[in-house]
Amino acid sequence: GQQVMQIPQYQHVQEGEDFTTYCNSSTTLSNIQWYKQRPGGHPVFLIQLVKSGEVKKQKRLTFQFGEAKKNSSLHITATQTTDVGTYFCASGGSQGNLIFGKGTKLSVKP
Amino acid sequence: KAGVTQTPRYLIKTRGQQVTLSCSPISGHRSVSWYQQTPGQGLQFLFEYFSETQRNKGNFPGRFSGRQFSNSRSEMNVSTLELGDSALYLCASEVNGGDTQYFGPGTRLTVL
Repeated sequence: GQQVMQIPQYQHVQEGEDFTTYCNSSTTLSNIQWYKQRPGGHPVFLIQLVKSGEVKKQKRLTFQFGEAKKNSSLHITATQTTDVGTYFCASGGSQGNLIFGKGTKLSVKP
Repeated sequence: KAGVTQTPRYLIKTRGQQVTLSCSPISGHRSVSWYQQTPGQGLQFLFEYFSETQRNKGNFPGRFSGRQFSNSRSEMNVSTLELGDSALYLCASEVNGGDTQYFGPGTRLTVL
């Protein structure tokens, strides 16, 4: 079945450093969604990308969808302690449900 | 609009018991999906209900079941609980399906 692989599993950065998480699939994705889950919280929708090569920005966060629509990335510039959490990518499965990557857990050292 | 609500928030059960979890979606949302989240397996899809019908199902044993009512509220039931069922159970609602999912706070189930 369709899978989305996410790397790295963990990332520890110093506050102010940049952070990137990658999401890859062996099949073409119709879209990609990104969610953030704070420690002790629940996943919260960040953004959806649909078009090949699409790039969207939200303040310090930059989201990209690959040209072949098989990969995506989330880049955070100058991380802050408020960025701590697990970032998930997700894409629509063949049956209409969302398939989530295993997430990248980000920790930020002040 | 009020967000997705889940009850109870915390639950402790023993092996062999059964449990029922409840989810009230955002008003106007007709699709409710359930996920199991554990540290080792991440977010795993259980099933999705739309207009009182199960539309999608993940790879979980038959001990996991659910239903949806006419007001879109959903329940999931786990029978004959096992230690490995300890997890955070999240429900998410969306307008129709295949859209942005809005998650509830989850029910933390501990099986002793």
